[in-house]
Formats: sequence, structure tokens, C-alpha cells
Amino acid sequence: AQSVAQPEDQVNVAEGNPLTVKCTYSVSGNPYLFWYVQYPNRGLQFLLKYITGDNLVKGSYGFEAEFNKSQTSFHLKKPSALVSDSALYFCAVRDMRTGGFKTIFGAGTRLFVKA
Amino acid sequence: DVKVTQSSRYLVKRTGEKVFLECVQDMDHENMFWYRQDPGLGLRLIYFSYDVKMKEKGDIPEGYSVSREKKERFSLILESASTNQTSMYLCASTTEGHHSGANVLTFGAGSRLTVL
Repeated sequence: AQSVAQPEDQVNVAEGNPLTVKCTYSVSGNPYLFWYVQYPNRGLQFLLKYITGDNLVKGSYGFEAEFNKSQTSFHLKKPSALVSDSALYFCAVRDMRTGGFKTIFGAGTRLFVKA
Repeated sequence: DVKVTQSSRYLVKRTGEKVFLECVQDMDHENMFWYRQDPGLGLRLIYFSYDVKMKEKGDIPEGYSVSREKKERFSLILESASTNQTSMYLCASTTEGHHSGANVLTFGAGSRLTVL
């Protein structure tokens, strides 16, 4: 079955430190992977995606993600966290069995960045 | 700026009431989606539509219906609201493309529904 797992409900990091939000996936075929962010009382916003090519993908707000096929992971990273990065982060995979119409989301990881 | 607009940010309804959640997008997108978001469960797909008057069930369609009479508008209907439908509802859209798997979802701000 197609699925996405975010093993951490919450990640705490101090401002200025590097951050990692973990994501693993299970899909048949090549994965189409996404990260979205949700700020309080807002809808989700797209951060970055991996479709093909370089395993390191750069996105908005200084975020990047590393695709690792052997570990079936797509961890979100940022070299230096900001307090304003505090939000809810969702990893997602496109279910291509349905022609790409369905996107499967992880449960979300809440990131707290402390000043 | 392109947008997905959800008409109601907060609603409070009584059990048994009929509830309409409206979503409008101005990007001429073919595909529209309704998700519900619950803590610890992420987003779950309720229904989606890939064309006017077309609809497909998602993963949790029970208790919901949808309507898409115009390309830009996708409505979610709760025929008889129940307390277990208290949730955040998110509308999203995306364009159809040759490589549809790569297309990004654009979300509305969400509608928080409380059913008493």
C-alpha cells in the first residue's frame, strides 16, 4: 500500500541550529514526494518536491530535502532554524496508481523553534 | 495572486443540520479536492473532481457529498451533520498536466467546522 510515515509528532530545536524533520515512504514505482507547511490557522503551503534528478532538492524559505531511495526516506532539512519556522510540516506522496489524482499525506510533525 | 478561497473560516452547526462548504479557485484548475484534517491523522481525502460534474470518492466519503457545477467551484455537503464530522476542512486544486504527478496542490485557508 502507498503510505507516508512521519515518525516524530514534534521536533524541538533552538534558533540557529540545524533542523531535520523525518519522512519515510512506501510506494510502488517511482515516488513523487512533497513537503508542505501549515502555519497557524492557515491552509497548507508547498515547500518543495522531488520528482526525478538530484537527490538534494531545494525549496522555499531555505528548506531542502534529501531523497534516499535505499532508505525510502525524504527528510526535510534546514541549516539554521528560525523562530518563524515553527509550524506543522507534512510529507506527502502522489499515488500514481490513481493517475496522480490522490496525494497521500503523513500525520504531520510539529516543529518548535525556540529563541 | 492565485487563490483558493473557502467561503467560511469558522462554522458552528447542530447535529442533523445540512452543511454547505464552498470553495472557489481562480486558477482555471481542472482538479479540485476536499480533505479533512484531524490531529495525528494528517489529511484524508474525502472527494475529488477532475472535471465539471465529475466526482470521485476519496478515502473517507461516508457522510459527505459534493457538487461541481462550474469549473471554478467545488462544494462539500454534509447532508446531516454529526459530531464526528467536527474537523478542519481543506479545499485544494491543481492543474492537469502531462506529468500530473508533479503538480502541486494549492490549498485554501480551511474551514473549521464544529458540530454540537
